[in-house]
Amino acid sequence: DAGVTQSPTHLIKTRGQQVTLRCSPKSGHDTVSWYQQALGQGPQFIFQYYEEEERQRGNFPDRFSGHQFPNYSSELNVNALLLGDSALYLCASSLVGANVLTFGAGSRLTVL
Amino acid sequence: DQQVKQNSPSLSVQEGRISILNCDYTNSMFDYFLWYKKYPAEGPTFLISISSIKDKNEDGRFTVFLNKSAKHLSLHIVPSQPGDSAVYFCAATGSGGSNYKLTFGKGTLLTVNP
Repeated sequence: DAGVTQSPTHLIKTRGQQVTLRCSPKSGHDTVSWYQQALGQGPQFIFQYYEEEERQRGNFPDRFSGHQFPNYSSELNVNALLLGDSALYLCASSLVGANVLTFGAGSRLTVL
Repeated sequence: DQQVKQNSPSLSVQEGRISILNCDYTNSMFDYFLWYKKYPAEGPTFLISISSIKDKNEDGRFTVFLNKSAKHLSLHIVPSQPGDSAVYFCAATGSGGSNYKLTFGKGTLLTVNP
C-alpha cells in the first residue's frame, strides 16, 4: 500500500518563476494538507483541502495556492517565487477529522 | 510567536539508556499533542500522541507525558537504540471549531551512540 507520494523530489527555479508541486494521498485518505519546512525549522502549515475546497489557511500570502482533485490528489502552486520560498514542501494526508497525518517525503525547492 | 517550543536543538545519549525529549506550548486551546520522527530524506513519521484528558500514553519503548498546568510534554524512549537517531518534532492541535492544522516545534536532533 503506497503512502503519500510527492513529485518532483527536487527542483530548482529562479526568482519570479512559478512552480507546481503534486501530491497523491495515502489510499483511503480524503484530506490533504501542505506544509513548508525551512532549514532548521519545523513544518509550517500552508493550507488544507477537503472535498476540493480549502478548509483552512495558514499565514502564507496569496502567491501560495492549491487545488484538490476528485481523486483526492492535490497540487500546490507558488507564483512569483522569492529566495525565501526555498524549503522542503511536505504533503500530508488523513481521513477527515483525524489529528494524525501521514506525510510524504517532500519536494525540495531551491530558488536562485 | 512560537506556540510550540523545543528548546534543545540536540541530544546525545548512549545506547540502552533513556532519552528524554521536551516540549513546551503556550496556546491553552491545544488539546491534542503528537510526536513525529524524521530521518534525512524522508517525511515525518507519526510516533505517538496524547489527548489532554490523559497525562500519560505508552507504546512499547515510547512514553509521552503531559503536564497541562505547566504546558509541558515530554517523550521518553527506553531503552534507546541507534536506529532511534533522528529529528523529533513535537506538534499540537486544538480540536473542534475550524482548526485543522498541526503546529510544530523546531525539532530536536537525537543521536544514540552505540
